[in-house]
Amino acid sequence: ETGVTQSPTHLIKTRGQQVTLRCSSQSGHNTVSWYQQALGQGPQFIFQYYREEENGRGNFPPRFSGLQFPNYSSELNVNALELDDSALYLCASSLETGFILGGYTFGSGTRLTVV
Amino acid sequence: GENVEQHPSTLSVQEGDSAVIKCTYSDSASNYFPWYKQELGKGPQLIIDIRSNVGEKKDQRIAVTLNKTAKHFSLHITETQPEDSAVYFCAATEDSNYQLIWGAGTKLIIKP
Repeated sequence: ETGVTQSPTHLIKTRGQQVTLRCSSQSGHNTVSWYQQALGQGPQFIFQYYREEENGRGNFPPRFSGLQFPNYSSELNVNALELDDSALYLCASSLETGFILGGYTFGSGTRLTVV
Repeated sequence: GENVEQHPSTLSVQEGDSAVIKCTYSDSASNYFPWYKQELGKGPQLIIDIRSNVGEKKDQRIAVTLNKTAKHFSLHITETQPEDSAVYFCAATEDSNYQLIWGAGTKLIIKP
């Protein structure tokens, strides 16, 4: 059983640029959630994808967008990067939405630095 | 909405001693309370969770207790070992919700 894999592991971008982060969910999981974790803080929910549709969104602006593909892998896209977007971006997969059937499996994250 | 507070922010204990991390939550509708361990350079890993129909759950050296009336829950680690050093996060949610609300984390340091 493979876990959650994220790519790239590290990324440096310039303010105003666009970035795409990728996530492969754990085998058998159909739900992917994305979180932003600033240094020294707990993760903040960005959005969740379930069966290729956005299933919920946190308090993030529209320049944060995503996709989920038929194989349940997912992308997080951020446009017009700002310095405050520098953070660890975590992808978590789960079996169905909600937590009735269990919790998340997280990837190791993508460390994004905006300069 | 839900708000989760976690204490202490840093906890240093002697190897072999016990460690306790405490969290409080605000939304009485929350019924799912997981604990995650995050090692340096890695994503959070679920170590134990508890649901509101249970007051205590144990898995080897770790245990979690829940007091629904007081809206607080705690992580207990006994016989601490160097590999327990990490940042621990508590979280809370209603189990049909799509997101977890996280505490700010506790950095646990195990002194040899």
